[in-house]
Amino acid sequence: DADVTQTPRNRITKTGKRIMLECSQTKGHDRMYWYRQDPGLGLRLIYYSFDVKDINKGEISDGYSVSRQAQAKFSLSLESAIPNQTALYFCATSDFPELGGGSKGGELFFGEGSRLTVL
Amino acid sequence: KQEVTQIPAALSVPEGENLVLNCSFTDSAIYNLQWFRQDPGKGLTSLLLIQSSQREQTSGRLNASLDKSSGRSTLYIAASQPGDSATYLCAVTRSGSARQLTFGSGTQLTVLP
Repeated sequence: DADVTQTPRNRITKTGKRIMLECSQTKGHDRMYWYRQDPGLGLRLIYYSFDVKDINKGEISDGYSVSRQAQAKFSLSLESAIPNQTALYFCATSDFPELGGGSKGGELFFGEGSRLTVL
Repeated sequence: KQEVTQIPAALSVPEGENLVLNCSFTDSAIYNLQWFRQDPGKGLTSLLLIQSSQREQTSGRLNASLDKSSGRSTLYIAASQPGDSATYLCAVTRSGSARQLTFGSGTQLTVLP
């Protein structure tokens, strides 16, 4: 099984619908992230969480919300989807760099991605 | 604001060639730099992680270097193979409490048999 699992892997929806993307991890990491990938724009950070009680906005958080239900679970919601939210969404995890163990501290692990199409 | 640039955007080479992918960043106050590989429609796989105090990291046919003062990193791939065809992305982690990553747009590599 994958260390970082995203569901659903593919979703087609209509404008105005509420969508939730879920992420679960077995790495035991405290830090979790949601990224969005668009062609030619690389990956952009939507939200990140350093522990269950800590949620932070990234560079493109407008139109999105998140919930950290447990150390292992971090979900991303689109309250009212719009076509320009069509993208590939990735969840990622990392440990605390300072505690990560030498040269591997802060290494990022990604899920397989959730492809969202908003019509 | 940190900006990360990868040039070229696409590269095509014949099998067996050694090649270098480039990554440049504007703010040298980084905590670490990572190189990732992404296959079409797939997630990102971490290839190499270089801490800010390190100059290079090696894994098999891959070697990544870091020059913080000039804001540059290179990924060297030796004896390229068709299976190396993928998009390669670099990402830098900012120093400080936030530890946010900034990604480049990637270099799409095609290794021709």
